Amino acid sequence: QVQLVQSGAEVKMPGASVKVSCKSSGYTFSNYYIHWVRQAPGQGLEWMGWIKPNSGATNSAQKFQGRVTLTTDTSITTAYMELSRLTHDDTAVYYCARDVKDCSGGICSNWLDPWGQGTLVSVSS
Amino acid sequence: DIQMTQSPSSLSASVGDRVTITCRASQSISSYLNWYQQKPGKAPKVLIYAASSLQNGVPSRFSGSGSGTDFTLTISSLQPEDFATYYCQQSYSISWTFGQGTKVEIK
Repeated sequence: QVQLVQSGAEVKMPGASVKVSCKSSGYTFSNYYIHWVRQAPGQGLEWMGWIKPNSGATNSAQKFQGRVTLTTDTSITTAYMELSRLTHDDTAVYYCARDVKDCSGGICSNWLDPWGQGTLVSVSS
Repeated sequence: DIQMTQSPSSLSASVGDRVTITCRASQSISSYLNWYQQKPGKAPKVLIYAASSLQNGVPSRFSGSGSGTDFTLTISSLQPEDFATYYCQQSYSISWTFGQGTKVEIK
């Protein structure tokens, strides 16, 4: 079955960087974009960006531009999200998710399915 | 960025109730609107895509409607396993955005 398995929890100091991995299985990795979404404690979902694995093309939310780096290693079907210059406000669960596309009915729609299990990143001095 | 606004932010309901959650986009997004359910400590899962299409395996008591800027998620008869937080999300623009969430609690 299609599965995304993320790396384990991280604790980082303010100003440091963190790199979270997302290992995909059960489908052709290169054919589907991967998105990253985060959720601060007790808060809602915040979309961060996407990467197209077969080209490396990326797009990220304006608030993360210059601070987030999305990459993939297609040889091991793994996506990575690196966030730099961490502050306490970056404490959150970070999720990866596969972008599914359907073009029936005359329009192409995209949604996220499945999601990884989440990776807790704690920023603490 | 396109802003997504859900209402209400939370609601209390009883098993068997009909529940309606609304989502409004700051500009027209056609039907590029998805709904997710999230339970505590778990990753979200998609319920509805393209505004009104039911994801495989999702119970038929869930339905979605709307287009343009106004959308609705309806649960026809609330079940115990439906107590969760629901999010809308637009995929119209190159940068996606989520609504702030609606928490459905037990009355």
